Amino acid sequence: DVKVTQSSRYLVKRTGEKVFLECVQDMDHENMFWYRQDPGLGLRLIYFSYDVKMKEKGDIPEGYSVSREKKERFSLILESASTNQTSMYLCASSFKLGGQKAQYFGPGTRLLVL
Amino acid sequence: GENVEQHPSTLSVQEGDSAVIKCTYSDSASNYFPWYKQELGKRPQLIIDIRSNVGEKKDQRIAVTLNKTAKHFSLHITETQPEDSAVYFCAAKWGYQKVTFGTGTKLQVIP
Repeated sequence: DVKVTQSSRYLVKRTGEKVFLECVQDMDHENMFWYRQDPGLGLRLIYFSYDVKMKEKGDIPEGYSVSREKKERFSLILESASTNQTSMYLCASSFKLGGQKAQYFGPGTRLLVL
Repeated sequence: GENVEQHPSTLSVQEGDSAVIKCTYSDSASNYFPWYKQELGKRPQLIIDIRSNVGEKKDQRIAVTLNKTAKHFSLHITETQPEDSAVYFCAAKWGYQKVTFGTGTKLQVIP
């Protein structure tokens, strides 16, 4: 069974703080993704990575950066948190090749920036 | 990039009735269309998917249809049950591994 875990379920941070969100998957997936989920906006892609040390911008990368030093771990970094980054953050992973294309999601991190 | 529109945003049906959720996409090169179900407070989970070389796929009470010419695809749930109540997201895969999601449909099945 695929397992995608995220470092925190809930986080409260202050404006200007540096925030790290970590995601770990145990299925040897090449692809990893970070989304934010906001009411009425669905899931919007922030960044994704298709291999170690590789990253690509998604639809809303501004204010975020990522790090993929190991295949199983994908980190999302908010360099200087702002109130408009209050959201639910979802990590996902998937295989890059072959017939299995489904994304498997982590439980989410609800971030509140004060 | 890809643009995925999903309708309706909310849907209420009586238990036992059918529910249909529709999505359109803009990039004709999109080749994979998954549907995810997200129950309250839980993570999205894949319930069914379809590839661009297939017109219809069915799994028990759930079916998905794809019209490549019109660039739209739909989720059909028959004989709805209260446990079908959730938010459903359609998505389209395009480019290199990128997936764009619709804005979600909140389905309420009334007992």
